[in-house]
Amino acid sequence: DAKTTQPPSMDCAEGRAANLPCNHSTISGNEYVYWYRQIHSQGPQYIIHGLKNNETNEMASLIITEDRKSSTLILPHATLRDTAVYYCIVRAEFDSNYQLIWGAGTKLIIKP
Amino acid sequence: DTAVSQTPKYLVTQMGNDKSIKCEQNLGHDTMYWYKQDSKKFLKIMFSYNNKELIINETVPNRFSPKSPDKAHLNLHINSLELGDSAVYFCASSQTSVEQFFGPGTRLTVL
Repeated sequence: DAKTTQPPSMDCAEGRAANLPCNHSTISGNEYVYWYRQIHSQGPQYIIHGLKNNETNEMASLIITEDRKSSTLILPHATLRDTAVYYCIVRAEFDSNYQLIWGAGTKLIIKP
Repeated sequence: DTAVSQTPKYLVTQMGNDKSIKCEQNLGHDTMYWYKQDSKKFLKIMFSYNNKELIINETVPNRFSPKSPDKAHLNLHINSLELGDSAVYFCASSQTSVEQFFGPGTRLTVL
């Protein structure tokens, strides 16, 4: 079973910041938080990952709480192309199986 | 060039048939995967191959068999297809444990 819980759906206005929450209250000390997204009819796409520090890349920012029990993915200026299902996944980076266990994700709809 | 490609994109077949889905990656990655996404949109890992060795085999029926002729290819063979096999199948590859690169998916419909 997935180790994360996410809201099933969210709306965001185009041009605004989209903040997607994720709860992972049972996360272990060696487990990272990964975010992927799946645009309709496409394969999933990696976005970002982090352990305990906040992370930023060209796609998004990841804010992880100090107790690491929750995190927020931030898309700073959402566009219509960001409409997708966003998946939050926790996994140990050096898990030899490289296994990702996927939950239901959050369906993010960007509205014009 | 497409990083991870799958063929065919759509596959419609009758129950009981045997079919194959092909996957190729041109990223030079060592590990490749097959995932199944059912009608409820849950993605489940089926297999992964690392340097031609199977390292994950979840509770998948033995009608499903991965075949890796070389590091760049991981094909999925399915025997005696059943209605419940209808789903979207994704191939993926990775070099590290961080990022997996996914193909466009193959939508399998069993009639």
